[in-house]
Amino acid sequence: DAGVTQSPTHLIKTRGQQVTLRCSPKSGHDTVSWYQQALGQGPQFIFQYYEEEERQRGNFPDRFSGHQFPNYSSELNVNALLLGDSALYLCASSFKSTGELFFGEGSRLTVL
Amino acid sequence: QKEVEQNSGPLSVPEGAIASLNCTYSDRGSQSFFWYRQYSGKSPELIMFIYSNGDKEDGRFTAQLNKASQYVSLLIRDSQPSDSATYLCAVKGTGRRALTFGSGTRLQVQP
Repeated sequence: DAGVTQSPTHLIKTRGQQVTLRCSPKSGHDTVSWYQQALGQGPQFIFQYYEEEERQRGNFPDRFSGHQFPNYSSELNVNALLLGDSALYLCASSFKSTGELFFGEGSRLTVL
Repeated sequence: QKEVEQNSGPLSVPEGAIASLNCTYSDRGSQSFFWYRQYSGKSPELIMFIYSNGDKEDGRFTAQLNKASQYVSLLIRDSQPSDSATYLCAVKGTGRRALTFGSGTRLQVQP
């Protein structure tokens, strides 16, 4: 049983560029949440997708957007990258929003 | 005031001792509480969850919840060097679909 898978694992971008991160949820899960984790900090909630709609959003600017596909997989897009966007981006899946959250290994983004 | 607060540590305990990790939260209506373990460079891994006041035990781990004091803790008995990691407390607040995480407590178990 595959867990939550994310791609790419590492990437380097320059300021102003755009990035797309991808996530496949754990089998049987229908809800995907995205978190940003800066070094030495806890994960910060970006947004959650369920039934292909954004259901809740954290305190992140509109530069951060996402999508969920019919197979429950999800993408996180970040436009106009800033140096401060450098972080580990974690995808987590659950069954609806009430189930336990399981994390993927993350995508480490470095913005130069 | 942060929504979920943890002492950043490091908390250093000798091998075989009990490690006690603490967390306070601000939303009195919070219903669900989680402890995650995160090894350096890795993603968070769920250890335990607790919904009701009192203690919940799972192997060497015990989660304790006191909603009146807005306090949740994690006890690790017979601590092992492999328990050395950052422990994240997470809370699902009132009307929230997502978890709010603390900044984590770094635990070091000395052999």
